[in-house]
Amino acid sequence: AQTVTQSQPEMSVQEAETVTLSCTYDTSESDYYLFWYKQPPSRQMILVIRQEAYKQQNATENRFSVNFQKAAKSFSLKISDSQLGDAAMYFCAYRGGSQGNLIFGKGTKLSVKP
Amino acid sequence: DTGVSQDPRHKITKRGQNVTFRCDPISEHNRLYWYRQTLGQGPEFLTYFQNEAQLEKSRLLSDRFSAERPKGSFSTLEIQRTEQGDSAMYLCASRLAGTYEQYFGPGTRLTVT
Repeated sequence: AQTVTQSQPEMSVQEAETVTLSCTYDTSESDYYLFWYKQPPSRQMILVIRQEAYKQQNATENRFSVNFQKAAKSFSLKISDSQLGDAAMYFCAYRGGSQGNLIFGKGTKLSVKP
Repeated sequence: DTGVSQDPRHKITKRGQNVTFRCDPISEHNRLYWYRQTLGQGPEFLTYFQNEAQLEKSRLLSDRFSAERPKGSFSTLEIQRTEQGDSAMYLCASRLAGTYEQYFGPGTRLTVT
């Protein structure tokens, strides 16, 4: 069975600084997708960034980028120029190529200090 | 595009009562998912529909849980004989087949007293 592990329950970053959130996963599949979702307090979950396993190039979306290490089964999220609005729970998620559902990690609570 | 909506947003019920939640997906999305999220955890998959067909159910979905998606539009999740362990946030998400992103609703927070 596939698993997703986020080893950092909480992280803190100073406004305008850079922070990296860690995620590792376990799978025997070769075709899969990885995602980072953001869940602000009392608000709905939104997609931050995704990575297709067959792509070697790391995904980037504005201030958000990932470091995808397929052999190590690692998928970290880097947030540059952190803003107060980035404060939220961040969930790493996996979806197999033939699956429909997402498998989530336990999340990392990110605080941004002004 | 009005997004995924869920009703009610909050539900408090007594142990042993039945509850039903509703999810309205984004209109053209043919795939619909239910997840459960307890405090301090990530969402856990419960069940998944493609149009009106329920294609997959997690082992978390005990006999007390049932989900439907008549006509492939909105979906309902019913919990019979609720237990305190059912207290959680129930999330619904939808996706258009062939695309990557699941769009989540705001969730229904269930409290069983």
